[in-house]
Amino acid sequence: DAGVTQSPTHLIKTRGQHVTLRCSPISGHKSVSWYQQVLGQGPQFIFQYYEKEERGRGNFPDRFSARQFPNYSSELNVNALLLGDSALYLCASSPGPRTYNEQFFGPGTRLTVL
Amino acid sequence: DAKTTQPPSMDCAEGRAANLPCNHSTISGNEYVYWYRQIHSQGPQYIIHGLKNNETNEMASLIITEDRKSSTLILPHATLRDTAVYYCIVRVDSNYQLIWGAGTKLIIKP
Repeated sequence: DAGVTQSPTHLIKTRGQHVTLRCSPISGHKSVSWYQQVLGQGPQFIFQYYEKEERGRGNFPDRFSARQFPNYSSELNVNALLLGDSALYLCASSPGPRTYNEQFFGPGTRLTVL
Repeated sequence: DAKTTQPPSMDCAEGRAANLPCNHSTISGNEYVYWYRQIHSQGPQYIIHGLKNNETNEMASLIITEDRKSSTLILPHATLRDTAVYYCIVRVDSNYQLIWGAGTKLIIKP
Protein backbone atom coordinates (compact mmCIF):
# COMPACT_ATOMS: atom_id res chain seq x y z
CA ASP A 1 0.00 0.00 0.00
CA ALA A 2 1.21 3.47 -0.82
CA GLY A 3 2.02 5.73 2.08
CA VAL A 4 1.30 9.43 2.29
CA THR A 5 2.55 11.19 -0.81
CA GLN A 6 3.39 14.86 -1.19
CA SER A 7 4.25 16.99 -4.17
CA PRO A 8 6.45 18.62 -5.11
CA THR A 9 9.44 17.40 -3.10
CA HIS A 10 11.31 20.67 -3.43
CA LEU A 11 10.23 24.15 -4.39
CA ILE A 12 11.98 27.48 -4.74
CA LYS A 13 9.94 30.68 -4.73
CA THR A 14 10.61 34.37 -4.31
CA ARG A 15 9.11 36.73 -1.77
CA GLY A 16 5.56 37.78 -2.55
CA GLN A 17 4.74 34.75 -4.66
CA HIS A 18 2.19 32.12 -3.73
CA VAL A 19 2.60 28.37 -3.50
CA THR A 20 0.35 25.30 -3.53
CA LEU A 21 1.46 22.09 -1.88
CA ARG A 22 -0.36 18.80 -2.37
CA CYS A 23 -0.90 15.74 -0.24
CA SER A 24 -2.52 12.36 -0.85
CA PRO A 25 -3.38 10.41 2.31
CA ILE A 26 -3.19 6.70 2.86
CA SER A 27 -6.18 4.94 1.32
CA GLY A 28 -9.03 4.86 3.82
CA HIS A 29 -7.70 7.73 5.92
CA LYS A 30 -10.10 10.64 6.17
CA SER A 31 -8.00 13.07 8.19
CA VAL A 32 -5.17 15.17 6.81
CA SER A 33 -3.02 17.51 8.90
CA TRP A 34 -0.42 20.00 7.76
CA TYR A 35 2.71 20.94 9.69
CA GLN A 36 5.54 23.40 9.22
CA GLN A 37 8.98 22.33 10.37
CA VAL A 38 11.72 24.89 10.58
CA LEU A 39 15.28 23.58 10.73
CA GLY A 40 16.20 22.37 14.20
CA GLN A 41 12.65 22.43 15.56
CA GLY A 42 9.81 19.99 15.85
CA PRO A 43 6.79 20.14 13.54
CA GLN A 44 4.32 22.96 14.19
CA PHE A 45 0.65 22.34 13.50
CA ILE A 46 -0.98 24.44 10.76
CA PHE A 47 -4.31 22.81 9.83
CA GLN A 48 -6.32 19.65 10.20
CA TYR A 49 -9.10 18.55 7.88
CA TYR A 50 -11.41 15.65 8.57
CA GLU A 51 -14.16 14.59 6.20
CA LYS A 52 -13.50 17.73 4.14
CA GLU A 53 -14.12 20.08 7.05
CA GLU A 54 -11.56 22.12 8.92
CA ARG A 55 -11.14 20.62 12.39
CA GLY A 56 -8.29 22.71 13.69
CA ARG A 57 -6.12 25.67 12.86
CA GLY A 58 -2.77 26.49 14.40
CA ASN A 59 -1.30 29.90 15.10
CA PHE A 60 -0.52 30.85 11.51
CA PRO A 61 -1.52 34.01 9.57
CA ASP A 62 -4.39 34.13 7.10
CA ARG A 63 -1.86 33.85 4.28
CA PHE A 64 -2.03 30.13 4.97
CA SER A 65 -5.11 28.27 3.78
CA ALA A 66 -5.99 24.70 2.97
CA ARG A 67 -8.76 22.52 1.70
CA GLN A 68 -9.61 18.85 1.43
CA PHE A 69 -11.18 17.27 -1.61
CA PRO A 70 -13.86 14.54 -1.86
CA ASN A 71 -11.13 11.92 -2.38
CA TYR A 72 -9.54 13.17 0.91
CA SER A 73 -6.46 14.59 -0.77
CA SER A 74 -5.52 18.06 0.38
CA GLU A 75 -3.85 21.28 -0.69
CA LEU A 76 -2.01 23.82 1.40
CA ASN A 77 -1.80 27.32 -0.06
CA VAL A 78 0.48 30.06 1.13
CA ASN A 79 0.14 33.58 -0.28
CA ALA A 80 2.52 36.53 -0.20
CA LEU A 81 5.48 34.37 0.70
CA LEU A 82 8.00 35.65 3.23
CA LEU A 83 11.56 34.53 3.80
CA GLY A 84 10.42 33.04 7.10
CA ASP A 85 8.10 30.65 5.31
CA SER A 86 11.12 28.65 4.21
CA ALA A 87 10.64 25.27 5.87
CA LEU A 88 9.77 21.63 5.43
CA TYR A 89 6.00 21.26 5.05
CA LEU A 90 4.72 17.94 6.28
CA CYS A 91 1.41 16.27 5.65
CA ALA A 92 0.08 13.56 7.93
CA SER A 93 -2.93 11.32 7.48
CA SER A 94 -4.86 9.30 10.00
CA PRO A 95 -8.08 7.28 10.04
CA GLY A 96 -9.86 9.63 12.41
CA PRO A 97 -9.47 13.13 13.79
CA ARG A 98 -7.67 12.21 17.02
CA THR A 99 -5.82 9.01 16.27
CA TYR A 100 -2.42 10.32 17.34
CA ASN A 101 -0.88 6.86 17.41
CA GLU A 102 -1.97 6.21 13.85
CA GLN A 103 -0.70 9.40 12.29
CA PHE A 104 1.40 8.72 9.20
CA PHE A 105 3.61 11.41 7.75
CA GLY A 106 4.65 12.01 4.19
CA PRO A 107 8.24 12.87 3.23
CA GLY A 108 7.46 16.57 3.12
CA THR A 109 7.92 19.42 0.67
CA ARG A 110 11.01 21.54 1.15
CA LEU A 111 10.09 25.16 0.40
CA THR A 112 12.80 27.75 -0.04
CA VAL A 113 11.80 31.40 -0.31
CA LEU A 114 14.43 33.73 -1.75
CA ASP B 1 5.04 25.29 25.26
CA ALA B 2 6.04 21.71 24.54
CA LYS B 3 5.64 20.61 28.16
CA THR B 4 8.47 18.05 27.85
CA THR B 5 12.21 18.24 28.47
CA GLN B 6 14.61 16.08 26.51
CA PRO B 7 18.39 16.19 26.18
CA PRO B 8 19.33 17.79 22.85
CA SER B 9 21.61 14.93 21.83
CA MET B 10 22.81 11.48 22.85
CA ASP B 11 25.22 8.86 21.55
CA CYS B 12 24.86 5.10 21.73
CA ALA B 13 27.02 2.25 20.50
CA GLU B 14 25.60 -0.02 17.85
CA GLY B 15 24.11 -3.18 19.34
CA ARG B 16 23.63 -1.65 22.78
CA ALA B 17 20.34 -0.50 24.28
CA ALA B 18 19.55 3.16 23.70
CA ASN B 19 17.72 4.77 26.62
CA LEU B 20 16.14 8.12 25.82
CA PRO B 21 14.81 10.09 28.81
CA CYS B 22 11.93 12.53 28.86
CA ASN B 23 10.72 14.72 31.70
CA HIS B 24 7.07 15.73 31.79
CA SER B 25 6.58 16.89 35.37
CA THR B 26 3.34 18.79 34.64
CA ILE B 27 1.58 15.97 32.83
CA SER B 28 -2.15 15.70 33.50
CA GLY B 29 -3.83 12.52 34.58
CA ASN B 30 -5.44 11.84 31.21
CA GLU B 31 -2.51 12.82 28.98
CA TYR B 32 -0.73 10.09 27.08
CA VAL B 33 2.98 10.01 26.35
CA TYR B 34 3.76 9.64 22.65
CA TRP B 35 7.09 8.96 21.00
CA TYR B 36 7.86 9.68 17.37
CA ARG B 37 11.14 9.73 15.54
CA GLN B 38 12.34 11.52 12.45
CA ILE B 39 15.13 10.11 10.36
CA HIS B 40 17.00 12.71 8.35
CA SER B 41 15.06 14.03 5.36
CA GLN B 42 11.98 11.94 6.17
CA GLY B 43 8.65 12.60 7.86
CA PRO B 44 8.20 11.64 11.53
CA GLN B 45 7.34 8.04 12.33
CA TYR B 46 5.19 6.86 15.24
CA ILE B 47 7.02 4.59 17.70
CA ILE B 48 4.92 3.95 20.78
CA HIS B 49 2.59 5.55 23.30
CA GLY B 50 1.36 4.89 26.84
CA LEU B 51 -0.66 6.28 29.71
CA LYS B 52 0.72 4.80 32.91
CA ASN B 53 1.67 1.21 32.26
CA ASN B 54 4.88 0.15 30.57
CA GLU B 55 4.40 -0.63 26.91
CA THR B 56 6.36 -2.70 24.41
CA ASN B 57 6.03 -3.22 20.69
CA GLU B 58 8.24 -4.44 17.89
CA MET B 59 10.16 -1.18 17.78
CA ALA B 60 10.70 -0.16 21.39
CA SER B 61 9.70 -0.22 25.04
CA LEU B 62 8.27 2.68 26.98
CA ILE B 63 8.84 2.89 30.72
CA ILE B 64 6.73 5.45 32.57
CA THR B 65 7.53 6.23 36.21
CA GLU B 66 4.85 5.60 38.78
CA ASP B 67 4.30 9.33 39.35
CA ARG B 68 4.18 9.78 35.54
CA LYS B 69 6.56 12.72 35.70
CA SER B 70 9.10 11.12 33.44
CA SER B 71 9.51 8.30 30.96
CA THR B 72 12.22 6.44 29.07
CA LEU B 73 12.11 5.12 25.55
CA ILE B 74 14.26 2.02 25.13
CA LEU B 75 15.55 0.76 21.80
CA PRO B 76 16.82 -2.68 22.88
CA HIS B 77 19.47 -3.27 20.22
CA ALA B 78 20.27 -0.03 18.45
CA THR B 79 21.39 -0.13 14.83
CA LEU B 80 22.85 2.58 12.63
CA ARG B 81 19.40 3.02 11.10
CA ASP B 82 18.08 4.18 14.46
CA THR B 83 20.04 7.42 14.13
CA ALA B 84 17.28 10.03 14.20
CA VAL B 85 15.64 12.80 16.20
CA TYR B 86 13.33 11.33 18.84
CA TYR B 87 10.36 13.34 20.03
CA CYS B 88 8.58 12.83 23.34
CA ILE B 89 5.14 14.47 23.26
CA VAL B 90 2.57 14.71 26.03
CA ARG B 91 0.56 17.80 25.37
CA VAL B 92 -2.52 18.26 23.29
CA ASP B 93 -3.53 21.84 22.48
CA SER B 94 -6.98 23.36 22.10
CA ASN B 95 -7.09 22.00 18.57
CA TYR B 96 -6.50 18.53 19.98
CA GLN B 97 -3.11 18.50 18.29
CA LEU B 98 0.15 17.18 19.66
CA ILE B 99 2.66 19.87 20.59
CA TRP B 100 6.15 18.94 19.51
CA GLY B 101 9.39 20.03 21.17
CA ALA B 102 12.86 20.00 19.65
CA GLY B 103 13.49 16.33 20.49
CA THR B 104 16.70 14.39 21.15
CA LYS B 105 19.13 13.75 18.34
CA LEU B 106 20.28 10.15 18.83
CA ILE B 107 23.47 9.13 17.06
CA ILE B 108 24.28 5.44 16.88
CA LYS B 109 27.99 4.86 16.49
CA PRO B 110 29.62 1.73 15.00
